Amino acid sequence: GAVVSQHPSRVICKSGTSVKIECRSLDFQATTMFWYRQFPKKSLMLMATSNEGSKATYEQGVEKDKFLINHASLTLSTLTVTSAHPEDSSFYICSARDRSGTYEQYFGPGTRLTVT
Amino acid sequence: GQQLNQSPQSMFIQEGEDVSMNCTSSSIFNTWLWYKQDPGEGPVLLIALYKAGELTSNGRLTAQFGITRKDSFLNISASIPSDVGIYFCAGTHNTNAGKSTFGDGTTLTVKP
Repeated sequence: GAVVSQHPSRVICKSGTSVKIECRSLDFQATTMFWYRQFPKKSLMLMATSNEGSKATYEQGVEKDKFLINHASLTLSTLTVTSAHPEDSSFYICSARDRSGTYEQYFGPGTRLTVT
Repeated sequence: GQQLNQSPQSMFIQEGEDVSMNCTSSSIFNTWLWYKQDPGEGPVLLIALYKAGELTSNGRLTAQFGITRKDSFLNISASIPSDVGIYFCAGTHNTNAGKSTFGDGTTLTVKP
């Protein structure tokens, strides 16, 4: 149980284009999903908290107009990187919390974004 | 904000040896979580701790929630090559909207 998928696993896009990353909880319902960014050999940097049916809450310094988050259902959240630039290249990971109320987060396998 | 100090930053050990790593904070937490991340993958939850003083095992892994609620340790006994990876601790307080604060990770290398 507690499986989270992400799609795509890898994406290469050209500077100026937008990329959408999907995060799905496969066998549980997630009222809350989190989006992280991870640089090589670094820890997880929380970007935003995504709550089903409401607007995402962004961490300080994260541009909400650049990183669009939509949590349309209890099993799906999407992150869209708009007008991507090479500095947006990174490893993006989502996690989901089971609606049962514990604080355990289950992570997706990550998406490697490369902007050329 | 809340910060975690995770140590050591890296460890190089021989197969069969035991490993110990810990996290400390100036703030108290309600939950401590330990994760392992393999290269190019997302972190996988190893152990979740919910009560001060709680000691929990998962196979060769043992973790404890410190009595002061400001620290936690993870021990790995009889390490094997597949234990290689980055281990993260994460603390959560119920006043922080369920967000977890992550340590910087401990990179473990196991030599056969």
